[in-house]
Amino acid sequence: GENVEQHPSTLSVQEGDSAVIKCTYSDSASNYFPWYKQELGKRPQLIIDIRSNVGEKKDQRIAVTLNKTAKHFSLHITETQPEDSAVYFCAASKGIQGAQKLVFGQGTRLTINP
Amino acid sequence: EAGVVQSPRYKIIEKKQPVAFWCNPISGHNTLYWYLQNLGQGPELLIRYENEEAVDDSQLPKDRFSAERLKGVDSTLKIQPAELGDSAVYLCASSSFGGETQYFGPGTRLLVL
Repeated sequence: GENVEQHPSTLSVQEGDSAVIKCTYSDSASNYFPWYKQELGKRPQLIIDIRSNVGEKKDQRIAVTLNKTAKHFSLHITETQPEDSAVYFCAASKGIQGAQKLVFGQGTRLTINP
Repeated sequence: EAGVVQSPRYKIIEKKQPVAFWCNPISGHNTLYWYLQNLGQGPELLIRYENEEAVDDSQLPKDRFSAERLKGVDSTLKIQPAELGDSAVYLCASSSFGGETQYFGPGTRLLVL
């Protein structure tokens, strides 16, 4: 089955700097890659996602890139702010229509230092 | 639009006791998921429902875990009997038919003593 590896497990950056989190997946048939942000004690919330027919997607300070050949995708956060501090999870799934089994990475604890 | 609702938010029980968690998905969402999240880990799928049918329960420990979604709307996940290792957060998520985006509930934090 699918296996998703996420790195680093912890990341600390200065406010205003950029943060990058990387994930690799094993199943070349995976075609949907969401990123979730989870604050302490809160629900995971989708922040951005990308499908396999797209190489890059951007939403304000957040961007995701996908390299299907290498089977890896990355989350980029620019101009980081204290409220970006949280645990970030990448995930991968496959299928033709909708409802998928998401396989999550282990998570990255991001800390933004003021 | 109301999000995914779960109850209770917290539960403390002694080992060997039964426990049940309830989830109400976003209105109109046909697909419902139960995930297990251990401390410091990503969520792991336990079971997925399409309406009232369990279409993927391969990772549900069926000796002690059971789930139901009788009318294709809300769902209950049960553990009987609970073990110490079951202490975790149990997350419910839902998605619309044909939709990829999964919306999560706040979870139920279970502590087994």
